[in-house]
Amino acid sequence: DADVTQTPRNRITKTGKRIMLECSQTKGHDRMYWYRQDPGLGLQLIYYSFDVKDINKGEISDGYSVSRQAQAKFSLSLESAIPNQTALYFCATSQGEISGELFFGEGSRLTVL
Amino acid sequence: GENVEQHPSTLSVQEGDSAVIKCTYSDSASNYFPWYKQELGKRPQLIIDIRSNVGEKKDQRIAVTLNKTAKHFSLHITETQPEDSAVYFCAASRAAYTDKLIFGTGTRLQVFP
Repeated sequence: DADVTQTPRNRITKTGKRIMLECSQTKGHDRMYWYRQDPGLGLQLIYYSFDVKDINKGEISDGYSVSRQAQAKFSLSLESAIPNQTALYFCATSQGEISGELFFGEGSRLTVL
Repeated sequence: GENVEQHPSTLSVQEGDSAVIKCTYSDSASNYFPWYKQELGKRPQLIIDIRSNVGEKKDQRIAVTLNKTAKHFSLHITETQPEDSAVYFCAASRAAYTDKLIFGTGTRLQVFP
């Protein structure tokens, strides 16, 4: 089955470390997103990309950067992790012109000590 | 930018009763309103969506209503079952195909047998 895969699924790191979360998809979708989930805050959009040459900031992009290496790959980086970036991170894809439905990966739980 | 408020944050019902979750949005240009369900430990998945040219949409036991004048939309679940227990997120965007999705803060629904 075509899917959205995130690595790592769980990561514990220390303040100040650089962290990369990776997302790859076999759905053939052009559009990819990174969301952050915190209890009581819902899903907040960090960055999104509508094609390989397109990168856009979302609601909470400060402290994060992204790279769209290929149509199927979209990575999220925390250059210098801080404790309040402890959260569950979701990558998602959509077909764009065909449907607005988001297809989420299984999530990457990040803990910054 | 768009802001989506969702109420209540938690909702407990008896099996067989109805459940209603309400959302309000701020951007009058929004015209796409999906609902996502997230079961415990799982990824969010789309359950139903509605566009601004439609006032109501039904799919078996779930329905969504939209009041564009008041800028609010609601999810209705009838004859609730224990498997309906999950966190439900509403969302809004200007267009299903071209814009980013902004989510509400989520409602944790518990259905007791």
